[in-house]
Amino acid sequence: DGGITQSPKYLFRKEGQNVTLSCEQNLNHDAMYWYRQDPGQGLRLIYYSQIVNDFQKGDIAEGYSVSREKKESFPLTVTSAQKNPTAFYLCASSIWFRGQGETGELFFGEGSRLTVL
Amino acid sequence: DQQVKQNSPSLSVQEGRISILNCDYTNSMFDYFLWYKKYPAEGPTFLISISSIKDKNEDGRFTVFLNKSAKHLSLHIVPSQPGDSAVYFCAATPRRTSGGSNYKLTFGKGTLLTVNP
Repeated sequence: DGGITQSPKYLFRKEGQNVTLSCEQNLNHDAMYWYRQDPGQGLRLIYYSQIVNDFQKGDIAEGYSVSREKKESFPLTVTSAQKNPTAFYLCASSIWFRGQGETGELFFGEGSRLTVL
Repeated sequence: DQQVKQNSPSLSVQEGRISILNCDYTNSMFDYFLWYKKYPAEGPTFLISISSIKDKNEDGRFTVFLNKSAKHLSLHIVPSQPGDSAVYFCAATPRRTSGGSNYKLTFGKGTLLTVNP
């Protein structure tokens, strides 16, 4: 089945440690995204990538880093510089828009919950 | 500056009645709007979308209305069912004006819908 796989589902980290969240998709989508969800905050864009070897900062990129070496993979590293890393992280992907007819939807993974102890 | 606003954090309705979820936006460049549904500890799933060239889009029990002059959209669910209980996110993107090459969405904070049996 096609979809987006995020791992791990739950992760605990000590302060000062970097952690990497995995995101893999087999939908053959060009674009991939990382969002963060906090209670009462909705979804906020961290980074996005339209094509391999290229990515752009979103609205809250500070303290995060990404790479896009393969079309299928878009890992997110939460660095020790991120002041408040405890959150629910969502990875998504979408097609490259070709014209009218697409619904414009993002396909989301199940999410990864990071807790800093 | 919040560009997509869902001013009602929660909404409670009786099974079989209509649910109306509202969303306002401030960015006049937004020309494509989407609704997502999210259950706890899961990724959001796409529900319905509407382009700015339309004022209504219908899909089964779900209808989205767009009022461009008021920069307002609403999602109607008729009839509401207990399984509809979830957080609903409104999202917007300047798809055409951005060249349409990706779906960089801006999300509202969400509205928790509870449908009581």
